[in-house]
Formats: sequence, C-alpha cells, structure tokens
Amino acid sequence: AQSVAQPEDQVNVAEGNPLTVKCTYSVSGNPYLFWYVQYPNRGLQFLLKYITGDNLVKGSYGFEAEFNKSQTSFHLKKPSALVSDSALYFCAVRDGRNSGGYQKVTFGTGTKLQVIP
Amino acid sequence: EPEVTQTPSHQVTQMGQEVILRCVPISNHLYFYWYRQILGQKVEFLVSFYNNEISEKSEIFDDQFSVERPDGSNFTLKIRSTKLEDSAMYFCASRGAPSTDTQYFGPGTRLTVL
Repeated sequence: AQSVAQPEDQVNVAEGNPLTVKCTYSVSGNPYLFWYVQYPNRGLQFLLKYITGDNLVKGSYGFEAEFNKSQTSFHLKKPSALVSDSALYFCAVRDGRNSGGYQKVTFGTGTKLQVIP
Repeated sequence: EPEVTQTPSHQVTQMGQEVILRCVPISNHLYFYWYRQILGQKVEFLVSFYNNEISEKSEIFDDQFSVERPDGSNFTLKIRSTKLEDSAMYFCASRGAPSTDTQYFGPGTRLTVL
C-alpha cells in the first residue's frame, strides 16, 4: 500500500519569506511524487513531479521540491512567498512499479498555505 | 493550453436520485480517472478507465457507481441512487500516453445530496 503524510494542516508565512510545505511518503516500489495546488472553488493544478534524476525538481510559479530518499520526504519549497500563493497544497504518490493504465495516485490530506502581507 | 472540463460545476439532487457527472478529458489522452473529495478531507481515488474498460477501482466505487465513455470526447460518472454521504467534490482527470506520468485534473463538480 502507498500513503502520504502532510504533517501540517496549515502553514503561515510572511510575504517575501521562504516557505516549506512538508510531505513524507511510503511506497513499496520507486516513488513517483507530485505536488498539486488547489485554489478556492477550483480544481487541482499540477505543480511539479519527481520521477527520476535530479533530486531537486523545479515546477510552476517558482516552486521547487526536494526528493530525499533516506528520509522518504518530498518537501515543497519557494524562496520568496507571494500572497497569491495562498491555497491548499496536496502531495501525492504512486508506485512506480505500476505500469500501464492504472497509476492510482494517493493524496495527502493537504496543507493550507497562508501568506501574510 | 488544453484542459480537462467538467459539467455541471454544482449539482444538487435528492437522496435516491440518479446523477450523471460529465467530463471532457484532454484531447488525445488515453487514461481517465475519477476522484472525490469530501468537504475538508483528502482527495480519494475512485476509478481508472482505459481502453473502454475499468482498469482499477477503489472500495468506494461500489455497484451504485458506473463510468462510461459514450463517445470520443465525454467521460461520465453515474451514481444510480445517491446517498447523503455521496455529497462531495468529484474530480475527473486524464493522462496521455503510457510514458507520461502526470494526471491533469478538471475543476470538479460539487455534488450536494439532500
């Protein structure tokens, strides 16, 4: 079974400060990791993913995430937060061993990011 | 940029009624998914669909649920007899070729069962 943990329900950060949203995962095979963002009354927007290669992954809107295999973590980061970054962020994982048309993605519970002006 | 679309944005129904939620995946995508998010909870996988058949389904996806791709563009989720606990946001997602890994999500349909 695969699972994702987002230990923080909410993260508050001042505008202009760096932000980190934490995520740890559990999966049997190679992890395929994703971050999605959800704005109020909107769907899930893809931010970035880690499949293989460089542990530091860069994505949309200046976000990046660092894959750490030993700590089974995939924390989302941004050097300088904007008020418009305020949203709900979901970390997700799937087992890289699954091939073909399946690819069930398991989501974390989400972390609400509040950027304070 | 192509995107997944869903209709309606909000559906209100009476308990016991049938509802059909509609999705138009990204053109030329091959794999289709439904997820749901009960208010305040995490996004949960319901079902995946490929080559006109269900590939995988969760324990949530019982006999009351069905999916269909009636034509070359639409992908539907039907709930035959809705229950109060079916109230949730339902997201459709699609993915392209086998070599791609990212599922792209629609804006969701909020289903309210009274």
